[in-house]
Amino acid sequence: GQNIDQPTEMTATEGAIVQINCTYQTSGFNGLFWYQQHAGEAPTFLSYNVLDGLEEKGRFSSFLSRSKGYSYLLLKELQMKDSASYLCAVRDPGGGNKLTFGTGTQLKVEL
Amino acid sequence: ETGVTQTPRHLVMGMTNKKSLKCEQHLGHNAMYWYKQSAKKPLELMFVYSLEERVENNSVPSRFSPECPNSSHLFLHLHTLQPEDSALYLCASSTGQGTYEQYFGPGTRLTVT
Repeated sequence: GQNIDQPTEMTATEGAIVQINCTYQTSGFNGLFWYQQHAGEAPTFLSYNVLDGLEEKGRFSSFLSRSKGYSYLLLKELQMKDSASYLCAVRDPGGGNKLTFGTGTQLKVEL
Repeated sequence: ETGVTQTPRHLVMGMTNKKSLKCEQHLGHNAMYWYKQSAKKPLELMFVYSLEERVENNSVPSRFSPECPNSSHLFLHLHTLQPEDSALYLCASSTGQGTYEQYFGPGTRLTVT
């Protein structure tokens, strides 16, 4: 089975840095995704990690440790528009590109 | 705009109605997915189609019936739904190369009365 844990809510200040953690206990692993979802909108792809280490993409970075079943999404220079839900998802090793999602972390960016 | 469109965006139906949700992707992808998103719950995968063949049916009740007539279109036929089926239904598509990230449509907000 798959179990993915994320904090439900986080609050941060504009211009600051925030780290959103995701831990997973899965029967198999073939990559971890982070998606951003604004209220009432479609989830949009942010990052993908399949090997250990840090992937950087502009203001967003994502880290993976497969041995610890742990990932985080790092958001730098926070902007008000970053207020959204951040979804962590693990891909099953079998075929079909099947993703199991966490419940998401609702991030609120304040002035 | 992610290249995946869904219609209708909002739907209210009674428990005895029959309706269909439509998804279309303009990205040239060869796999399509249906997800259910309920409040306070994770996105739940319902169905996966790859090259128009169903490769995943995630223990979904038979009152939900998917159809994939070609690689660009995906339907979800609904009949005799229950109030607990009220949710946001998201469609996604992906390519068969690279990281296989999924591109989502805006969803259909379904309310069953």
